[in-house]
Amino acid sequence: DAGITQSPRHKVTETGTPVTLRCHQTENHRYMYWYRQDPGHGLRLIHYSYGVKDTDKGEVSDGYSVSRSKTEDFLLTLESATSSQTSVYFCAISEPGGIRLTDTQYFGPGTRLTVL
Amino acid sequence: GENVEQHPSTLSVQEGDSAVIKCTYSDSASNYFPWYKQELGKGPQLIIDIRSNVGEKKDQRIAVTLNKTAKHFSLHITETQPEDSAVYFCAASGGGGSYIPTFGRGTSLIVHP
Repeated sequence: DAGITQSPRHKVTETGTPVTLRCHQTENHRYMYWYRQDPGHGLRLIHYSYGVKDTDKGEVSDGYSVSRSKTEDFLLTLESATSSQTSVYFCAISEPGGIRLTDTQYFGPGTRLTVL
Repeated sequence: GENVEQHPSTLSVQEGDSAVIKCTYSDSASNYFPWYKQELGKGPQLIIDIRSNVGEKKDQRIAVTLNKTAKHFSLHITETQPEDSAVYFCAASGGGGSYIPTFGRGTSLIVHP
């Protein structure tokens, strides 16, 4: 398995509170991604990073911000959590143009977030 | 942008039967098509992938076929086993030089013993 960890694995919080999820990788991959997974919607991209301090928005970025100060860490922040952000969040990494010349993504184990 | 449609959303088979999941994509420039398996409570894991210069790829009981003209690709699982029960996602990427994949909505495969 790719060396990807996410913390926390489970979190329950209240509406209006800030929440930060962490993704840590040991693979030295350039690209890191945050997805949310909801029933009937599959995997939806929130934000991604293509290098330290280089980030861009995905299709569902409203209400989320990210930061990447080191290659190995990618943080997802909900500035003021809402019930609609209750979801399972997955981090993924990839190294496009690497040895296998593929865009293969490797996923972390996920964080289940409940906003009450 | 790319749009990936995946069917069926649920597939129920008997152990030993074959299972086929189909995906269509919209961007003819897409050139990489991975398939992921997600078991309950876990993150998706790559099970097989194919590039646009190949029509078919096999790995033991699973195979993927690609029809570039029709812009569709399929996952075939033969001799299904209960441990094949999971959610399967297809994806497409490479169009416009983008490394960001577009995922299908997933297929829940249930294999009955």
